[in-house]
Amino acid sequence: AQSVTQLGSHVSVSEGALVLLRCNYSSSVPPYLFWYVQYPNQGLQLLLKYTSAATLVKGINGFEAEFKKSETSFHLTKPSAHMSDAAEYFCAVVRGGDMRFGAGTRLTVKP
Amino acid sequence: GAGVSQSPRYKVAKRGQDVALRCDPISGHVSLFWYQQALGQGPEFLTYFQNEAQLDKSGLPSDRFFAERPEGSVSTLKIQRTQQEDSAVYLCASSQQGFRNTEAFFGQGTRLTVV
Repeated sequence: AQSVTQLGSHVSVSEGALVLLRCNYSSSVPPYLFWYVQYPNQGLQLLLKYTSAATLVKGINGFEAEFKKSETSFHLTKPSAHMSDAAEYFCAVVRGGDMRFGAGTRLTVKP
Repeated sequence: GAGVSQSPRYKVAKRGQDVALRCDPISGHVSLFWYQQALGQGPEFLTYFQNEAQLDKSGLPSDRFFAERPEGSVSTLKIQRTQQEDSAVYLCASSQQGFRNTEAFFGQGTRLTVV
């Protein structure tokens, strides 16, 4: 079964610092992988998705993620954190017709 | 509409009460999904519709949960005899053709609190 594991339920960075949110997947076939962001009391918003076209995927708000098959990883990065990036981030994988989510990582950005 | 709309936004139910949660997907979207998100957790899949057909209901936690989409548009998630463990945010998402090929758009969710 396809699933994702997010390492670290909480990540705290200073404004302007690198953001790195980790996601590892388990899949027997090439997966469709996604990162979503959830702001308080809001629904999920798609940041980016990997569909095998390119291993480095650029998303909205300056985020990007790199698919590494050898490491079964799809970590999310942003070179310079902004206060507005504070939110919950979810990695997800498509399994059959539905999407399965990781437990989430809460990102805090300190001034 | 402009996005996925869910109602009510908040619902407080007494234990044992039946509740109905509504999802209005984006017009023309074929696929509709329901998820349950407990506090501090990621969304957990409940069920999936393609038009009016319920293709997968493997995530429904018990027979107290029932979902329908009779005309292939609006969907209702019904929970009978609510229990405290049903307290969660229920998210609805819709897409043109499912998650693989097109983006799925999520509603803001309905926060259910069972007291």
